Amino acid sequence: QKEVEQDPGPLSVPEGAIVSLNCTYSNSAFQYFMWYRQYSRKGPELLMYTYSSGNKEDGRFTAQVDKSSKYISLFIRDSQPSDSATYLCAMSARAGTALIFGKGTTLSVSS
Amino acid sequence: SQTIHQWPATLVQPVGSPLSLECTVEGTSNPNLYWYRQAAGRGLQLLFYSVGIGQISSEVPQNLSASRPQDRQFILSSKKLLLSDSGFYLCASTRNSYNEQFFGPGTRLTVL
Repeated sequence: QKEVEQDPGPLSVPEGAIVSLNCTYSNSAFQYFMWYRQYSRKGPELLMYTYSSGNKEDGRFTAQVDKSSKYISLFIRDSQPSDSATYLCAMSARAGTALIFGKGTTLSVSS
Repeated sequence: SQTIHQWPATLVQPVGSPLSLECTVEGTSNPNLYWYRQAAGRGLQLLFYSVGIGQISSEVPQNLSASRPQDRQFILSSKKLLLSDSGFYLCASTRNSYNEQFFGPGTRLTVL
């Protein structure tokens, strides 16, 4: 079993839709969770950072962590064509250590 | 906030040639630095990380090496490139004891 699983998609939605992106993981020691957005041929950009379980909201983006289920989600409300990108989840067990990344989900939002 | 510079942006090299990719960081001191490779459909593969000058940890045995000659400079090298070294190379940085990693713009390497 891989440490972090992420459905590669592609996921295609119309503009204005609510998007749900998910990752599952196997290591119960993970407690730091991140979501990155990567546009084609660019470096990943940090979107959301959460510690332990719970929700965090930033504008149209909400990150959710359920440690009991080893499941994290990123919700995008009112999706825009500019949200079309690959979304990577990442996590680690200890501060300052290397992150373990999912393979990324490719999202396409059509106008 | 941190700014990470990488160069060159793109590179086409023949098999067997040497490689040197450079990464420099602004806006922080004593960062942890990372080299990743991203191949199509394979996600981000951690190659090397460094917690300080001259301190390098290798995650994957291969024909690549890394060096950190200065606090905010990280270099990825190879003496002889292989076809399998083609990919998108990303440098990342974190402030010590923090987790948020910030990435540079990347170098796209094609080995022919």
